[in-house]
Parts: sequence; structure tokens; C-alpha cells
Amino acid sequence: AQSVTQLGSHVSVSEGALVLLRCNYSSSVPPYLFWYVQYPNQGLQLLLKYTTGATLVKGINGFEAEFKKSETSFHLTKPSAHMSDAAEYFCAVSDRGYDKVIFGPGTSLSVIP
Amino acid sequence: GAGVSQTPSNKVTEKGKYVELRCDPISGHTALYWYRQSLGQGPEFLIYFQGTGAADDSGLPNDRFFAVRPEGSVSTLKIQRTERGDSAVYLCASSRAGPGRGELFFGEGSRLTVL
Repeated sequence: AQSVTQLGSHVSVSEGALVLLRCNYSSSVPPYLFWYVQYPNQGLQLLLKYTTGATLVKGINGFEAEFKKSETSFHLTKPSAHMSDAAEYFCAVSDRGYDKVIFGPGTSLSVIP
Repeated sequence: GAGVSQTPSNKVTEKGKYVELRCDPISGHTALYWYRQSLGQGPEFLIYFQGTGAADDSGLPNDRFFAVRPEGSVSTLKIQRTERGDSAVYLCASSRAGPGRGELFFGEGSRLTVL
């Protein structure tokens, strides 16, 4: 069965600093991996996803993530944090060939001016 | 509207009552998901529909929870004999295809409070 862990329920960074949000997954078959973001009082929206091909994927708002099979990781990064990045970030996994999507517990990102 | 619509946005009920939560997906989306999100936690998978049929209902916590999608569009999540522990935000998402080929579009959720 799939599962997702996110190290750090809360991360604070200074504006302009590197953002690194960690995600590790467990899957019995090659996975599809996702990052979703939830801004205050809004629904979840897709930031980026990995399905096949290039292991470094780029998403919206300057975010990117790298699929590392050997580490079962899919960490999310952004070179320079902006105040508008403050939100809840969720990593998710789906077993290839199945449509059930499992979410991690989330990481709340705060950006300090 | 163009997005996933969920009604009601807020529901307050008393312990033991019956509740229905409705999800209107994006037109043409064949896949529909229900999740439950408690404060400070990630969305917890409940059930997934492909068309009219429940393809995976392994996340429904017990037999008090039931969901239908009779015409392959609108879905209703039904909770019988509500308990205080059912209090959460219930999220609905729809997708044109499976997650490998499409994207889940989420509604803003129905907040259920059981007193």
C-alpha cells in the first residue's frame, strides 16, 4: 500500500531564502508523485507532478521537485521564497496503474519578511 | 461554474443525525474522489468513483458512511448516525482521467461540525 511521510510539519524561511520541503513515499509499484498547495481559505491545487521521464519536474510559481528512486524521495524546492508562498504543502502518491491518490500529512510553510 | 462545487459549505448537526454532502464535479470529468481533512492533517482518502461505480471504497471508515454517483456526475456522501469524531472538512475532487494522465481539481470543501 502506498504511504507518504513529510518531515517537518512546519517550516519557516526568510524571504529570498531557499525553500526545501521533504517528502518520502512508499509504493509497491512505480509511483506517480505529486505536490499540492493549499492557500488559506482556498482549495488544494496541483503544483507539479512526476509520472514518467525526466526525474526533475518543474511546476508553477518557480517550484520544482526531483524524483529519486533510490531514496524513495520527492523533495520540493524553490530557490528564493516569496511572501506569497506561505501555505500548506501536501505531497501525494499514486501507484502506477491505480487511481487512488494518498496524501501526506502536510507541511505548513511560513515566510518571514 | 467551471470548478468543483460542494454544498453545503458549512453544516452543523447534532450527534446521531443523518447528513448528506453534495459534490458537483467539473463537466466531463469521469473520476471523482472524496477525502476527509481534519485540522492540521492531510486529506484522508475515503472513496473513488470511475463513472457511476465506486472503484475503490477502502477508505470509508465504517458502514455509517456511504457515497453514490448514480448518473456519473454529481455525487453525494451520506453519513448516518453522526458522531463528534466525524467533524472535519470533506473534500471532493474530480479528474478527466486517472492521476497519471490528469490532475485532481478540488472543491473548497464542506465543513461538518457534529455537536
